[in-house]
Amino acid sequence: NAGVTQTPKFRILKIGQSMTLQCTQDMNHNYMYWYRQDPGMGLKLIYYSVGAGITDKGEVPNGYNVSRSTTEDFPLRLELAAPSQTSVYFCASSPASTGMAYEQYFGPGTRLTVT
Amino acid sequence: GQNIDQPTEMTATEGAIVQINCTYQTSGFNGLFWYQQHAGEAPTFLSYNVLDGLEEKGRFSSFLSRSKGYSYLLLKELQMKDSASYLCAQTDSNYQLIWGAGTKLIIKP
Repeated sequence: NAGVTQTPKFRILKIGQSMTLQCTQDMNHNYMYWYRQDPGMGLKLIYYSVGAGITDKGEVPNGYNVSRSTTEDFPLRLELAAPSQTSVYFCASSPASTGMAYEQYFGPGTRLTVT
Repeated sequence: GQNIDQPTEMTATEGAIVQINCTYQTSGFNGLFWYQQHAGEAPTFLSYNVLDGLEEKGRFSSFLSRSKGYSYLLLKELQMKDSASYLCAQTDSNYQLIWGAGTKLIIKP
């Protein structure tokens, strides 16, 4: 099992450009999440999905969009990149809700800089 | 919103014991997780508590007091590889994780 994979590992964007961060998991997990992590701050939930075809906003969804057409893939789209979106982005998955004590498995992260 | 508070940084000596504290808001509480994150890497799961008391797992233990909104992670027989950030996260009423900013643990020989 590769677990959770993310591409790219690093990216530099100019203000106003768009890009898609890819996330794939091979554990057949229903739940998938996108977080951003800024220096000295906790992980902030951007979007999450409880299964294919179902997505919902997290704490900081503005400026991002997601889709979940398959169980395996959960891409994150940045439209009109802004310097405030400079961050490390983590994708995670879990078999079910964390309310049932299921841990989240994280991908290696994408380090994005917007200049 | 809900706040998770934990110290920003702690220093300990190799072979010693260290306790990392975490306080959280009790409303909507559904469980508490501890994760380890080495610099430049992804968080990895350490422990989960939903009932009061101590959960022991090898050199690592985690404690929860729901009435006090308090948890701690206890690391024994510290090794250099334990140098990392330790993240406390609470499951809220929507079963989403609310994360603390993390405690950076520095281990000195």
